[in-house]
Parts: sequence; C-alpha cells; structure tokens
Amino acid sequence: NAGVMQNPRHLVRRRGQEARLRCSPMKGHSHVYWYRQLPEEGLKFMVYLQKENIIDESGMPKERFSAEFPKEGPSILRIQQVVRGDSAAYFCASSPLGPYEQYFGPGTRLTVT
Amino acid sequence: GIQVEQSPPDLILQEGANSTLRCNFSDSVNNLQWFHQNPWGQLINLFYIPSGTKQNGRLSATTVATERYSLLYISSSQTTDSGVYFCAGTSGSRLTFGEGTQLTVNP
Repeated sequence: NAGVMQNPRHLVRRRGQEARLRCSPMKGHSHVYWYRQLPEEGLKFMVYLQKENIIDESGMPKERFSAEFPKEGPSILRIQQVVRGDSAAYFCASSPLGPYEQYFGPGTRLTVT
Repeated sequence: GIQVEQSPPDLILQEGANSTLRCNFSDSVNNLQWFHQNPWGQLINLFYIPSGTKQNGRLSATTVATERYSLLYISSSQTTDSGVYFCAGTSGSRLTFGEGTQLTVNP
C-alpha cells in the first residue's frame, strides 16, 4: 500500500509565478490536510478537504492561496503570484476518517527566488 | 485553538543514553501523535496515542489524557535517532504541532 505521495518534491519559482503542489492520499483515505513548515519552525495547519469539499480553510492565507480535492485526481494546493515569504516545506497528510491518525507525505520544498 | 508545549527544546546525548521528551496540551485532545523529522526533512509517524502506553522497539510513549500530557521515551539512543521530534494533537480535525525537540545523538 503506497503511502501519501507528493509532487514535485522540490519546486523553484520566481517571484510572481504560480506554484502548484500535488498530493495523492493513501489508498482508501478520503480526507486530506495541508500543512506548511516555514524555515526553523513547526508545522502549521492550512486546510482540510474531503472529495469536492473544503471542510476547514481557516489556516490558509486569505489571498493568493487556494486548495481543491476533485472527485478524480490528486489534491492541489495552488499559490498564485508567489513571494519570497512563501518559501517553505508544504506537507500533505491523509486519513481514512476525520479525527484519526494522519499520515504524512514527504513534502514539497518550495523555493521562491 | 489548543496550545502545545514541548520540552526540552534541545537535547544532546551520547550514544546509548536514554531520554524522555514531554508534550503538554492546553486543552483536551481527541488525537495525539508523535513524529520524527529526520535530517532530510521527512516526517515519520512514531505513535498514534490518544491515551495509554505503546511501545515500538527502543521507543515508547505514554499519554495521560486527563492531565493533558504525553511522554516519549527513547532508550539506548543511536545516532540515527537525531532530528526533531514533534508532538501534535487535535481538538477537531486539524493537528496542532508543538515547536519540537531538537535531538542530537553523538557517537
């Protein structure tokens, strides 16, 4: 059973470009969470999604950030017009049901130059 | 939301030593997990332990839910144990992480 998959593992973008981060949950998991880890900091919750629904996006910046989890395909975290402060590791996690063990992917390390 | 406090923030050990890491929560949680972030940045699930005690090899964890804390024990530490240890809890569906304990195990 493959784990949570994220791609790309490393992403370099220039200021003003768009970043798209993908997450495929573990087989049988229908809940996806995105977390961000800024340099030298802990992980912070961003958004919680189920298929075709955003359940909780209270941790997501109001502008430039969006997330989706379509009926088919991976979950996507999209960052428009990236700035240097967006440089961070973005982790995706999945779980079979809500408040149960969350399994994390390897992360995408975004660098904005 | 809940606050998560981890101690100590830094810990340096000689190989073979034992250690205890602590995690305190400001409110009750319905999910508690311990993670190891290795030097390559990957997050490894160590324990899912809302209450009670679990053991996995040289690692064990105990959560006392009524007193809102959890402990992670590392015995006979090895250099490969180095990295950052995070605890995290949920009071809904989101995990709230502590700031971590940076562990360095010297040969």
